[in-house]
Amino acid sequence: AQSVTQLGSHVSVSEGALVLLRCNYSSSVPPYLFWYVQYPNQGLQLLLKYTSAATLVKGINGFEAEFKKSETSFHLTKPSAHMSDAAEYFCAVSVKPAGRRALTFGSGTRLQVQP
Amino acid sequence: GAGVSQSPRYKVTKRGQDVALRCDPISGHVSLYWYRQALGQGPEFLTYFNYEAQQDKSGLPNDRFSAERPEGSISTLTIQRTEQRDSAMYRCASSRTKQGGYTFGSGTRLTVV
Repeated sequence: AQSVTQLGSHVSVSEGALVLLRCNYSSSVPPYLFWYVQYPNQGLQLLLKYTSAATLVKGINGFEAEFKKSETSFHLTKPSAHMSDAAEYFCAVSVKPAGRRALTFGSGTRLQVQP
Repeated sequence: GAGVSQSPRYKVTKRGQDVALRCDPISGHVSLYWYRQALGQGPEFLTYFNYEAQQDKSGLPNDRFSAERPEGSISTLTIQRTEQRDSAMYRCASSRTKQGGYTFGSGTRLTVV
């Protein structure tokens, strides 16, 4: 079975500051890893995904994440926060590509961006 | 359609009533997933379909929950004899291929009173 732990249910940064959202996974087989963003009253939107190719994955809106097998981590970063980045972010793991197997989600991290 | 459409957006029902939640995936999408999201939590898998075939229903909490996708397009999640603990956001997602990433709908907020 696989699981995801997101450290910090709430993260607050200043506009222009570095964003770092932490995700650690547990999986008995090589995982597929995903980050989703959820804006209020909207569905979850895929930010980026790791599917065993390059370990540094670039996504939409300037976000990127690095797969570190030795640390079982897949942290999400963005060099400079924008007010529009305020949302809830979910890390998810699958042992097969999304679409062939259910995703297991973390409990989410709410990002606040202060002016 | 342009996105995954779920209806109704909000549903308030009395305990003991049956409810049916509808999901209309993106046209041509092969796979369809149902998730449930409690307040302050991430989505939790319920079940999924490839075309009309239900591939995995291991996430359905008990036999009051069922889902169907009879023609490989629209899907209905039915909850019988609703209980207060069933209150949650129910999310549907679809993917173009069996390997593809999901597109989620906006969800149905179910409140059982």
